[in-house]
Amino acid sequence: AQSVAQPEDQVNVAEGNPLTVKCTYSVSGNPYLFWYVQYPNRGLQFLLKYITGDNLVKGSYGFEAEFNKSQTSFHLKKPSALVSDSALYFCAVRDRFSGGYNKLIFGAGTRLAVHP
Amino acid sequence: DGGITQSPKYLFRKEGQNVTLSCEQNLNHDAMYWYRQDPGQGLRLIYYSQIVNDFQKGDIAEGYSVSREKKESFPLTVTSAQKNPTAFYLCASSMGLAGTDTQYFGPGTRLTVL
Repeated sequence: AQSVAQPEDQVNVAEGNPLTVKCTYSVSGNPYLFWYVQYPNRGLQFLLKYITGDNLVKGSYGFEAEFNKSQTSFHLKKPSALVSDSALYFCAVRDRFSGGYNKLIFGAGTRLAVHP
Repeated sequence: DGGITQSPKYLFRKEGQNVTLSCEQNLNHDAMYWYRQDPGQGLRLIYYSQIVNDFQKGDIAEGYSVSREKKESFPLTVTSAQKNPTAFYLCASSMGLAGTDTQYFGPGTRLTVL
């Protein structure tokens, strides 16, 4: 079965420091990987995705993610954290339904807290 | 959240009641989805629809029903058969069901059983 894991429930970082939110995946074929952010009582906002090509993917709000096939990871990064980046972050991987339809498998989420 | 609206924002249900959550999108997307979010868990798929008048069960469809009579609308009914309906419900849409298609989410509806 395809799965995605976010090993850290919470990440704490000081404002201005680089941040990393970790994600590892397990798929049988080529992975399609996504990152979303959720602010309190809001829906998910799309940040970026990896489909193919360059392993470093740039997304919204200065975020980027690095696809590492050998380590089956897709960590989210930002060079300089802002207090406003504090939110819940979800990694997701494509799965395939029986019948050929696709769906996203979401990790449990990582709460990012950026301290002034 | 732009392009996908959900209503109401908060909903309270009494035991034994059916309630319907609204989801509308103006993105001209073919595919729509309903997810349930519980604290400390990722999103779980309830139902999805690829086209009008077609929908498929997701991982946790029991106690829920949907319809897709219009391309832009995908309402979710939480029936009395759903034993633990208190959760945050998210609607999403995408161009299609291809694995490369990005899903975009609405602002969510928080359902509480009284």
